[in-house]
Amino acid sequence: QSALTQPRSVSGSPGQSVTISCTGTSSDVGGYDFVSWYQQYPGKAPKIMIYDVSTRPSGVPDRFSGSKSGNTASLTISGLQADDEADYYCCSYAGSHTLIFGGGTKLTVL
Amino acid sequence: QVQLQESGPGLVKPSQTLSLTCTVSGGSISSGNYYWSWIRQPAGKGLEWIGRIYTSGSTNYNPSLKSRVTISRDTSNNQFSLKLNSVTAADTAVYYCARTYCSGASCWDLDYWGQGTLVTVSS
Repeated sequence: QSALTQPRSVSGSPGQSVTISCTGTSSDVGGYDFVSWYQQYPGKAPKIMIYDVSTRPSGVPDRFSGSKSGNTASLTISGLQADDEADYYCCSYAGSHTLIFGGGTKLTVL
Repeated sequence: QVQLQESGPGLVKPSQTLSLTCTVSGGSISSGNYYWSWIRQPAGKGLEWIGRIYTSGSTNYNPSLKSRVTISRDTSNNQFSLKLNSVTAADTAVYYCARTYCSGASCWDLDYWGQGTLVTVSS
C-alpha cells in the first residue's frame, strides 16, 4: 500500500479557484467511491471537508467541491479566501478493510 | 456533540510498548453504527491510518502495522485504546483518535477528531 499522490503545494490569489489532485490506483481511488478530503491548520486536528467523493458535511461552504475521474480524485476550492490557506489531505478506501491517505498538499493564498 | 480526547505517556523508550487511550464524550462507543479509529502524523509529514474498532468490538488494521498493533475498548469508561509494541524512533508522531459514522456502505470517512497527542520514542 503506497500513499496516494498529491502535489506538494498549490497556490492561488483571493477569489480564484484552485484544484488539488489525488492520484491512486484501481485498487483504491479508482475502485471505490469512498474518497474524503481533510483540511488541517498547523498544530490542529484535520477537519473533514468532503466525503464519498463529492458530499459536503453540513457547515462546509459550497466553495469546496469534490470529484473523481478514473484513478484521480480532485478537490476544487472556488472563491479562494485567506483562511483557506492550510494543508489538505485526500483519503480513500483501499479494499480489505483498510484506509489510505495522500501525502498532503500545502495551499498558499497569495 | 461528540468529543474525543487522547491521553497517555508522551515519551516511550525504544523497544517498549506505546499505549494511548481515547475518551469519548457525547456518544457511546458501544452502540450505533460507528467505527473508532487511530491515525498518526510524524512531524512535518502526512497522515497514516493505524486501525479502527467497531461498536461490536471487531477491528481492522493497517497491514503495514498489523503485527505490532492492538486496538481495544473499555465500554464501562467509554474509551478505546491503542497499543503499539516494539516501537522505534520512526513511531514518533502526533497520534489522533477519530470517529466514523457508517451510513449504508459509506463507512470510511472520519467526521470527528481528537486534538492529538505527541508521542516521542527516545531513550
